[in-house]
Amino acid sequence: QKEVEQDPGPLSVPEGAIVSLNCTYSNSAFQYFMWYRQYSRKGPELLMYTYSSGNKEDGRFTAQVDKSSKYISLFIRDSQPSDSATYLCAMSGVSQGGGYNKLIFGAGTRLAVHP
Amino acid sequence: NAGVTQTPKFQVLKTGQSMTLQCAQDMNHEYMSWYRQDPGMGLRLIHYSVGAGITDQGEVPNGYNVSRSTTEDFPLRLLSAAPSQTSVYFCASSYYPGQGNTDTQYFGPGTRLTVL
Repeated sequence: QKEVEQDPGPLSVPEGAIVSLNCTYSNSAFQYFMWYRQYSRKGPELLMYTYSSGNKEDGRFTAQVDKSSKYISLFIRDSQPSDSATYLCAMSGVSQGGGYNKLIFGAGTRLAVHP
Repeated sequence: NAGVTQTPKFQVLKTGQSMTLQCAQDMNHEYMSWYRQDPGMGLRLIHYSVGAGITDQGEVPNGYNVSRSTTEDFPLRLLSAAPSQTSVYFCASSYYPGQGNTDTQYFGPGTRLTVL
């Protein structure tokens, strides 16, 4: 079993729809949760970052973490064609004594928003 | 700032050939990493470095070597290319995370490698 599971999609929605992207994980030591966005033939870029449980909002994007269920979500409101990309969840544990904080990535969900 | 740069963008190798993928960053980041990305597998860590002269293995290190002689550069060497190494390779860099922080990683544009 992978440490982080993410449905690869593809997910196709009309412009203006609310999009829900999800990941589940098995390692209860994970404390930092991130969402990266990757456009076609580009490197991933950090979209949202959350520490521990709770919600975080940034414009049209909301990240949710439910540590009791080991489940994280990214919501996109009023989706736009420019949101078409692959969304990767990533997570890590607490850095111990300044050691390298390895990120574990999900497989990524491909999203297409059509006009 | 150029950020993280990678060369080449594309490469085709024959089985058994060797090559070096170049990575450079101009953000004075301590940490640098190499990942490979395969369909359905996400990003998997190959090797990483916590500073000049210090490297360590990630999840899938076999068949790859790295070195870190300067803060800016972190080349990845394929010793004897195999078809299983066909993938997209990303280099990333980040600041020293500090206690309680996570390392926000900045990725390069990637190198698409095909091994025949």
